[in-house]
Amino acid sequence: DIQLTQSPSFLSASIGDRVTITCRASQGIHVYLAWYQQKPGKAPKLLIYSASTLHSGVPSRFSGSGSGTEFTLTISSLQPEDFATYYCQQLNYYPLTFGQGTRLEIK
Amino acid sequence: QLQVQESGPGLIKPSETLSLTCTVSGGSISSNSDDWGWIRQPPGKGLEWIASLYHDGNTYYSASLKSRVIISVDTSKSQFSLNLSSVTAADTAVYYCTTRLGQISSWGQGTLVTVSS
Repeated sequence: DIQLTQSPSFLSASIGDRVTITCRASQGIHVYLAWYQQKPGKAPKLLIYSASTLHSGVPSRFSGSGSGTEFTLTISSLQPEDFATYYCQQLNYYPLTFGQGTRLEIK
Repeated sequence: QLQVQESGPGLIKPSETLSLTCTVSGGSISSNSDDWGWIRQPPGKGLEWIASLYHDGNTYYSASLKSRVIISVDTSKSQFSLNLSSVTAADTAVYYCTTRLGQISSWGQGTLVTVSS
């Protein structure tokens, strides 16, 4: 199975900050990686697919990059509604594993 | 993009079999999906992939749940299902169904299943 390791697990930041979350895969997954945002009591929301493609309706302050084993999610200027938990998921091999999550909180 | 909605019991007793159904709308379940899957999230924890059924008929299961899980699809009803046998308190979670076309997944809103006597 492919293991996904996100870092950091917890992030405290301020409105307007630029933040980056990293997702590392235990073996190469090309660009078959998605990023999700989850708020309490809600289903995960797709932000980025194919490592760098912004899903429809997602603000352009979100961006993704990477290929192979290392990927990043960047939020260019944090807004109040961005404080949530973020997960990466690989879609290259079954089982379709997730990272452990990164909780982003207001400083 | 398809919409999906989970349905099933909110409460189930230990040792029973959990049966969940996902109803797909907004298009053809066959031609607009590469796979159908289930994911769960225990309270306060992360996301755990359970199973997927690929459009070619192949099924894929989490190694830790494989002995207890069956995923199936009924395209005539635009539904797919999850059966999880011999449940314990550790199976208490929000269960999500998903459909995937290429690299884009659509998720249901989730249904909380509590295992308790």
